[in-house]
Amino acid sequence: NAGVTQTPKFQVLKTGQSMTLQCAQDMNHNSMYWYRQDPGMGLRLIYYSASEGTTDKGEVPNGYNVSRLNKREFSLRLESAAPSQTSVYFCASSRGYSGNTIYFGEGSWLTVV
Amino acid sequence: DAKTTQPNSMESNEEEPVHLPCNHSTISGTDYIHWYRQLPSQGPEYVIHGLTSNVNNRMASLAIAEDRKSSTLILHRATLRDAAVYYCILRDDSSYKLIFGSGTRLLVRP
Repeated sequence: NAGVTQTPKFQVLKTGQSMTLQCAQDMNHNSMYWYRQDPGMGLRLIYYSASEGTTDKGEVPNGYNVSRLNKREFSLRLESAAPSQTSVYFCASSRGYSGNTIYFGEGSWLTVV
Repeated sequence: DAKTTQPNSMESNEEEPVHLPCNHSTISGTDYIHWYRQLPSQGPEYVIHGLTSNVNNRMASLAIAEDRKSSTLILHRATLRDAAVYYCILRDDSSYKLIFGSGTRLLVRP
């Protein structure tokens, strides 16, 4: 089982460039999430999608946009990348809320120079 | 979201039990207690969760205090592969969000 798949795994951007991180899950989960993790820190929630067709802001949404393309896919877009967005990005999914387990992808390492 | 407090780091010897504490004095009645761990250069993985009663699974046990203001993750026999950052997280019954704190870094000595 692939689980949660993120692409690309590594990316270097110049300040001001745009890019989209892709995420897909094959577990028929309703909810999907995007987190970022800065060095030595815990994960912070950027955006989440409780179900297909809905998206909501998390703790640190500024500078990002998301699209829940269908039930399987949830993309994260950086419109104008800044050095402060250098981080590891994790996509995750879950069947629903509260007691449901959240499954994470392997991460996307993004450097903005 | 209710907060959790964990020690920054702990050490253990291989094949010995490990007790990882977590304080959550402001927990509400509908908050589930979740534990995730993150191995180096990987995404977090689920360990265990509970609401009121102690829980066991193949990875670990979760002991929840009677007043629910604290909990302990128990690894019965630590292995080198258990070296990771362990996150104790409260998740409301109606919430989709999993809010991470800074976690406890567990070092396992051979």
